[in-house]
Amino acid sequence: DTGVSQDPRHKITKRGQNVTFRCDPISEHNRLYWYRQTLGQGPEFLTYFQNEAQLEKSRLLSDRFSAERPKGSFSTLEIQRTEQGDSAMYLCASSQTEASNYGYTFGSGTRLTVV
Amino acid sequence: AQKITQTQPGMFVQEKEAVTLDCTYDTSDPSYGLFWYKQPSSGEMIFLIYQGSYDQQNATEGRYSLNFQKARKSANLVISASQLGDSAMYFCAMREGGSTLGRLYFGRGTQLTVWP
Repeated sequence: DTGVSQDPRHKITKRGQNVTFRCDPISEHNRLYWYRQTLGQGPEFLTYFQNEAQLEKSRLLSDRFSAERPKGSFSTLEIQRTEQGDSAMYLCASSQTEASNYGYTFGSGTRLTVV
Repeated sequence: AQKITQTQPGMFVQEKEAVTLDCTYDTSDPSYGLFWYKQPSSGEMIFLIYQGSYDQQNATEGRYSLNFQKARKSANLVISASQLGDSAMYFCAMREGGSTLGRLYFGRGTQLTVWP
């Protein structure tokens, strides 16, 4: 297992278009998290799943955002009708349910630019 | 109120010197975990060190140590013998609650620059 994988690494889209990102977690991890990181800020929590169940959503996750994890493995994050304010790095992380000192493993992120 | 506060936007240190990156946190939960991550320009978040709220001793991982002052709600990262490769953004983060992992709250980060 090579860690958490995110695809694509970079995405440039025109305002108003829909985009979808994919995250493949570490195979034995049953929790998957999405964060958004804008320039000069720390990551902000968006949502997380335990297996296929979406357990928590941030108020940052407007109705234009939707996340799924249909089979409890990979996850997708879709943004509809993109706006320039959606330009950010979207980070995915995974973990097992029980805590360990290492906890969360992050992917390298998808950098979205809305023009 | 901010859960995690990092007051140093940037820090500079000479190679081989030690540096302390500040972090204060705010929670009313008696059980929590504190993390430090390194983010190079490539973007990935690299785990450095973890401190649990009930841990009696300060955490250490190689050149990294966490100066945990519970009463002051402070969790400063100390990097000893800085290396050029330590230049990166450093984030302090907190998880609230017991052993079950949940969301992390991050600070705004500190940009560390190590010069020769």
